[in-house]
Amino acid sequence: GENVGLHLPTLSVQEGDNSIINCAYSNSASDYFIWYKQESGKGPQFIIDIRSNMDKRQGQRVTVLLNKTVKHLSLQIAATQPGDSAVYFCAENTSGTYKYIFGTGTRLKVLA
Amino acid sequence: DAGITQSPRHKVTETGTPVTLRCHQTENHRYMYWYRQDPGHGLRLIHYSYGVKDTDKGEVSDGYSVSRSKTEDFLLTLESATSSQTSVYFCAISEVVSGNTIYFGEGSWLTVV
Repeated sequence: GENVGLHLPTLSVQEGDNSIINCAYSNSASDYFIWYKQESGKGPQFIIDIRSNMDKRQGQRVTVLLNKTVKHLSLQIAATQPGDSAVYFCAENTSGTYKYIFGTGTRLKVLA
Repeated sequence: DAGITQSPRHKVTETGTPVTLRCHQTENHRYMYWYRQDPGHGLRLIHYSYGVKDTDKGEVSDGYSVSRSKTEDFLLTLESATSSQTSVYFCAISEVVSGNTIYFGEGSWLTVV
């Protein structure tokens, strides 16, 4: 499949280490956020979401942190595995609107 | 995985020809979307639908039209394809208009030559 996002920032992580991927969102009125994973040639896959009334939410091996003061979102992946290699991007949404704003993403490379 | 099927998955077409991409969902979600994904850009909304026969424009709607005659199907048509419409097209669905996850299909790779 075609490789979208050829000039994305890249994070290289050793297998087994933790990964932290960051996202600066644009709209201070945004109150719902999603992290997606996109493998080459595939569609974006939902990882985890968080609402603005929370600062942190944990899933299986993943944690999302939200800092509304500086409009910053981060995704932490514990014990990174080769299967985690992909492009990760965030999305933001404001209640009552259909509009989702998507980031361009970060490429995560897991080194064996 | 959300039950979203896009067709065709890959297509090469000539400038000036019409092209229709199809999205079919089995989740009975009310909202359906067409996005395009290009290098250097986040996903950008082309059109969306909030019900059968109810559609509206997104931020990059010029040159595209849509139709939704059934809950499960959302069609994207390029009336006269141009090279600038070479892109990856994703269909997405959601249960509610906001504050909820939107799920994506696997994409349709379109090349206009």
